Amino acid sequence: AQTIHQWPVAEIKAVGSPLSLGCTIKGKSSPNLYWYWQATGGTLQQLFYSITVGQVESVVQLNLSASRPKDDQFILSTEKLLLSHSGFYLCAWSRTVSNERLFFGHGTKLSVL
Amino acid sequence: GMPVEQNPPALSLYEGADSGLRCNFSTTMKSVQWFQQNHRGRLITLFYLAQGTKENGRLKSTFNSKERYSTLHIKDAQLEDSGTYFCAAVSSNTDKVVFGTGTRLQVSP
Repeated sequence: AQTIHQWPVAEIKAVGSPLSLGCTIKGKSSPNLYWYWQATGGTLQQLFYSITVGQVESVVQLNLSASRPKDDQFILSTEKLLLSHSGFYLCAWSRTVSNERLFFGHGTKLSVL
Repeated sequence: GMPVEQNPPALSLYEGADSGLRCNFSTTMKSVQWFQQNHRGRLITLFYLAQGTKENGRLKSTFNSKERYSTLHIKDAQLEDSGTYFCAAVSSNTDKVVFGTGTRLQVSP
């Protein structure tokens, strides 16, 4: 069975500090991977997607970057956090390139102060 | 307008009540998922539909691609049904997933 693990569970960071969030998928080779962001009380917005190692496409510009260093790993990062980065970050995977059924991780709650 | 319009934005039910949520799509979608987000933020998949109707216990969902809508019906609401419900649909044109704006459901005793 496939499992998706996100870390950390929560972060409290200062404005201007760096950030790195991670996501690992086990039990599925070559998954399509996604990062989503959710403002408090808001809907989910796709930030990045990746269909293969080393390839990441940006969907929304939020002064964040993403990388896929391994087939089963997806990293979201920034050098300088903004207050507007606060929210809930969710990693997801799907089987096909056409965005079929999404499977989500448990998410990371980020508070930028 | 928004590609996915979800209604109602908020819903209050007493235990045992029945109700429904709806997502209307401005373009043709080829599949839809329904999620419940709990108080910890965890997204729980309720349904994935490419067409037709599915039932799971007290929940039933319908997706009509031609008429551009999907519904989620909750029967005999329970306290644990509280949370925020999202539909997420895949566009037939772009293959992109678009989430609805969510329905915040509160079930009271």
